Amino acid sequence: DSGVTQTPKHLITATGQRVTLRCSPRSGDLSVYWYQQSLDQGLQFLIQYYNGEERAKGNILERFSAQQFPDLHSELNLSSLELGDSALYFCASSWDSWGSPLHFGNGTRLTVT
Amino acid sequence: AQRVTQPEKLLSVFKGAPVELKCNYSYSGSPELFWYVQYSRQRLQLLLRHISRESIKGFTADLNKGETSFHLKKPFAQEEDSAMYYCALSGTASGTYKYIFGTGTRLKVLA
Repeated sequence: DSGVTQTPKHLITATGQRVTLRCSPRSGDLSVYWYQQSLDQGLQFLIQYYNGEERAKGNILERFSAQQFPDLHSELNLSSLELGDSALYFCASSWDSWGSPLHFGNGTRLTVT
Repeated sequence: AQRVTQPEKLLSVFKGAPVELKCNYSYSGSPELFWYVQYSRQRLQLLLRHISRESIKGFTADLNKGETSFHLKKPFAQEEDSAMYYCALSGTASGTYKYIFGTGTRLKVLA
């Protein structure tokens, strides 16, 4: 499957902990986007990387960080977790850095207890 | 500020009835507008984009720059159209690039 792959599917952790979410983009895509979807909220744009470099930043908390590696996979690191960080985190990829349709992964459901 | 507004959380229509999912945006430049759809147990996927000006699965959407709207329409709803629909905008304003989504509208097509 050459689509967007996100791991893990589910993650349950305690407050104060740190987790890493992983995303492998669709084959040939250079951009990776991260979104957070909380209950009754839309998709909140967090951050975008293009070919290894940060391209755009949205409403990403300072406790969160991300990077894109030379093989183009990306990781989203969430630290000092709070109950309110419980959400579905989506990764999406596109072939260019602006305006192309996004291809989404299935998301990682994070539960902070 | 850049914003995408979908005023309806839920829209229920009967099979065969016309459908219009509303999307309004605020943006200071020339954005790209998209509609994405998420069917049950499937991932979010592109439905259509305004620059293509095409009809997908019977859906169309016209960009109205005067009203800053990009409403999604279908003349005759089918049960398989039941899904979550998201309007999205991408573009650069004040040197900042964003790809943002509305809160989504759940469409239920009743038999």
